[in-house]
Amino acid sequence: GENVEQHPSTLSVQEGDSAVIKCTYSDSASNYFPWYKQELGKRPQLIIDIRSNVGEKKDQRIAVTLNKTAKHFSLHITETQPEDSAVYFCAARNSSYKLIFGSGTRLLVRP
Amino acid sequence: GAGVSQSPSNKVTEKGKDVELRCDPISGHTALYWYRQSLGQGLEFLIYFQGNSAPDKSGLPSDRFSAERTGGSVSTLTIQRTQQEDSAVYLCASRPSGSETQYFGPGTRLLVL
Repeated sequence: GENVEQHPSTLSVQEGDSAVIKCTYSDSASNYFPWYKQELGKRPQLIIDIRSNVGEKKDQRIAVTLNKTAKHFSLHITETQPEDSAVYFCAARNSSYKLIFGSGTRLLVRP
Repeated sequence: GAGVSQSPSNKVTEKGKDVELRCDPISGHTALYWYRQSLGQGLEFLIYFQGNSAPDKSGLPSDRFSAERTGGSVSTLTIQRTQQEDSAVYLCASRPSGSETQYFGPGTRLLVL
């Protein structure tokens, strides 16, 4: 079955710097890759997603890149702000419509 | 509109007791998922319902766990003979037909003493 690995587990950056979180997946049939943000005590919320027919997608300060050959995808947050502090989860989905999540990255943006 | 709701928000039970967790998906969403999130961990897939199809139970950790979805709407996750290792946040998500996006509920925090 699908396995998703996520790194780093924790990330601390200075406000205004960029943050990058990386994930790898095992099932080459996976074709949909969402990223969820979970603030402390809150529910996970989708922030951006990418499908396997594109290599990059941007939405304001966040972007996701996908390398199908290497089976990895990354989340990039530019000009980080304290409100970006949260746990971020990547996920991969194959034809089963079942999401397999990474273990999460705790991002801390220092003011 | 109303999002996914779950009840109870918190549940404390004694080891060996049975518990039922409820999920009310967004109206009209055809797919419903249950996940478990242990402290500081990722989201572990448990079970997936899609319309009238047989559910995908491949993530259920043992036969003490079961789930039902009545009338294609409300779902209940039942844990029998609870163990301390069952303590976690149980999250439900729903997804509309034709969309990839899963919308999560606030979760039920289960503590087994």
